[in-house]
Amino acid sequence: GQNIDQPTEMTATEGAIVQINCTYQTSGFNGLFWYQQHAGEAPTFLSYNVLDGLEEKGRFSSFLSRSKGYSYLLLKELQMKDSASYLCAVLDSNYQLIWGAGTKLIIKP
Amino acid sequence: DAGITQSPRHKVTETGTPVTLRCHQTENHRYMYWYRQDPGHGLRLIHYSYGVKDTDKGEVSDGYSVSRSKTEDFLLTLESATSSQTSVYFCALREGEQHTDTQYFGPGTRLTVL
Repeated sequence: GQNIDQPTEMTATEGAIVQINCTYQTSGFNGLFWYQQHAGEAPTFLSYNVLDGLEEKGRFSSFLSRSKGYSYLLLKELQMKDSASYLCAVLDSNYQLIWGAGTKLIIKP
Repeated sequence: DAGITQSPRHKVTETGTPVTLRCHQTENHRYMYWYRQDPGHGLRLIHYSYGVKDTDKGEVSDGYSVSRSKTEDFLLTLESATSSQTSVYFCALREGEQHTDTQYFGPGTRLTVL
């Protein structure tokens, strides 16, 4: 079967750095997406990785290792507005998005 | 802003009644999707469309049907709602023709089936 694993919940302090991990086992791989979802709102796109390595986009970076079936989202200089759920999704061999259950990130002052 | 809206935003209905949710886009994107989101689960694909009158089933299509009679509207119908269909429903569209292009989501419809 296909499986995406993420921690259910994480807590971090304002101004700090947090790393949200995602491991996947899917039938094929055509890229990995990260989305942010604030409570009661729609998911919004953060990043897409298809090649190994780190991609930086402002305070957010996303890393991919295809050989390990592993990705992480790195958030720097945390702000209270970063409190949200972070969703990992893999595009499988049929080009369908397989979604993780999401990681709820709580930021404390 | 992908220009995608959903209606209604909230709905409470009773078991056995039909329900139709509407997704509307203001642009001309070919690919549209219906997902449901439940606590403890990732987003799950119900149906998707790749053009007018072209639709296909997703992972959890039982109990749902869709229609796309024009590019801008994608309708999701629950023929006879059940309590297990209580969920938040998101519509999404894909902005490009490539499978790897990003999906953008509407604001969601919260459906409660009593």
